[in-house]
Amino acid sequence: DTAVSQTPKYLVTQMGNDKSIKCEQNLGHDTMYWYKQDSKKFLKIMFSYNNKELIINETVPNRFSPKSPDKAHLNLHINSLELGDSAVYFCASSQGMTSEKLFFGSGTQLSVL
Amino acid sequence: SQKIEQNSEALNIQEGKTATLTCNYTNYSPAYLQWYRQDPGRGPVFLLLIRENEKEKRKERLKVTFDTTLKQSLFHITASQPADSATYLCALDVSGAGSYQLTFGKGTKLSVIP
Repeated sequence: DTAVSQTPKYLVTQMGNDKSIKCEQNLGHDTMYWYKQDSKKFLKIMFSYNNKELIINETVPNRFSPKSPDKAHLNLHINSLELGDSAVYFCASSQGMTSEKLFFGSGTQLSVL
Repeated sequence: SQKIEQNSEALNIQEGKTATLTCNYTNYSPAYLQWYRQDPGRGPVFLLLIRENEKEKRKERLKVTFDTTLKQSLFHITASQPADSATYLCALDVSGAGSYQLTFGKGTKLSVIP
């Protein structure tokens, strides 16, 4: 069973569109994350979220918003997509209230045309 | 500004030798430091975590050291194998223990040559 799963694996869309990426973890973890990996392979944190707190990296445009229907899911919504949003997006989770030992999904490659 | 630096983007090493990767950081006092492995097209996979009061940690052929005075961690793979070829990332929680802001270095791509 996949511990952290994200869908879709590939997402190709036009500029200006709105899209969502789904993430689910079956580990019973309390904290979930979204990371962006750009073309230079640099992995940058976007959001971290548990049932008490959402922490947003200050560099993330407000076109990006995480939505958590329950503890096992953290979806990423992106409005008005731009060319620069093209990247691989990774969901991750960790147990408890720390960022020790993150489990990552396999990534969603987003291409904005 | 706060920085996490991994000494080289790429490292080539002969099979059987020990690979040593370096992670330096500035302006942090992390409670722990982590190392991850990333293969092409995959998400990072956790390898080891070392706490500030630990000098060294081992797991099979992997060894990590943590020098909080030098602000440096070394990651060693002994008896390296071609299957060890991957990108290795170090990571710190930049907001201190108890928060969830794990920040990654840019990684070192290790190639183990048969």
